[in-house]
Amino acid sequence: QSALTQPASVSGSPGQSITISCTGTSSDVGSYNLVSWYQQHPGKAPKLMIYEVSKRPSGVSNRFSGSKSGNTASLTISGLQAEDEADYYCCSYAGSSTFENWVFGGGTKLTVL
Amino acid sequence: EVQLVESGGGLVQPGGSLRLSCAASGFTFSSYDMHWVRQATGKGLEWVSAIGTAGDTYYPGSVKGRFTISRENAKNSLYLQMNSLRAGDTAVYYCAREKGSGDFDYWGQGTLVTVSS
Repeated sequence: QSALTQPASVSGSPGQSITISCTGTSSDVGSYNLVSWYQQHPGKAPKLMIYEVSKRPSGVSNRFSGSKSGNTASLTISGLQAEDEADYYCCSYAGSSTFENWVFGGGTKLTVL
Repeated sequence: EVQLVESGGGLVQPGGSLRLSCAASGFTFSSYDMHWVRQATGKGLEWVSAIGTAGDTYYPGSVKGRFTISRENAKNSLYLQMNSLRAGDTAVYYCAREKGSGDFDYWGQGTLVTVSS
C-alpha cells in the first residue's frame, strides 16, 4: 500500500480540465511544501511536471498546475490533449527522522476520451 | 545535456546480490543529491535510497540493511549494492537527480532487476 493516496484512474475529453488528488498525512504532504508530480508514458522514465507544490519546470506546459490544502495536494490539467494520456504520480518529502523520507502515491491513469 | 545511464541489472536468484551503476554526465555530479527509485511491472514508483553530496545516506524500511547506496564523484557515478535479494525486489531501477527541493528533475532509462529461481 502506497503512502500517498491517489485515485486509480481519471478521464476527460479533449479540451476539458481534470484534477488528480494526492492525500497524505500531517507527516508528509501536510508538513512540507515539497510535493512533486511526475508524468509517465508507457515504457518511459517519469518526467517532472510540478515541484514544490505548484512550480513548473522550464518546458512544462502552463496547462499543468499544482496546489495543496492541508494533507492533500492536487494536480490540475487544463485543456486536455491526447498526449496528456499517461500515468501520474505524486511524491512528497516526509522528513529526515523517518525511514520513509520520500513517499510516492500509487499513481493515477489518465485517459483522454 | 544531462544524462543518467543505469547498468548492472539482470537475473539473480533469491538471496543473491547485484550491484547497479548509474553513469552521470552533463552536470556537476558532486553538487547534487542522488536517488534510486524502483518500479515493479505494472506498479507504482517506490523510493529506494538517497545519498547526499556529503555522502549521507537514507533508506526506506523495506531495503534498509540489505541495500547500500554509494557514489564516486571522480567517476561521476552512483551505485546501488543490493544484497539478500527477494522476489519482491524485482523491478526496473531508476537513478534520479534531486533538483534540490525534494524532487527529481532527471531520470535514467532504468535497468531491470529480476529476482527468481
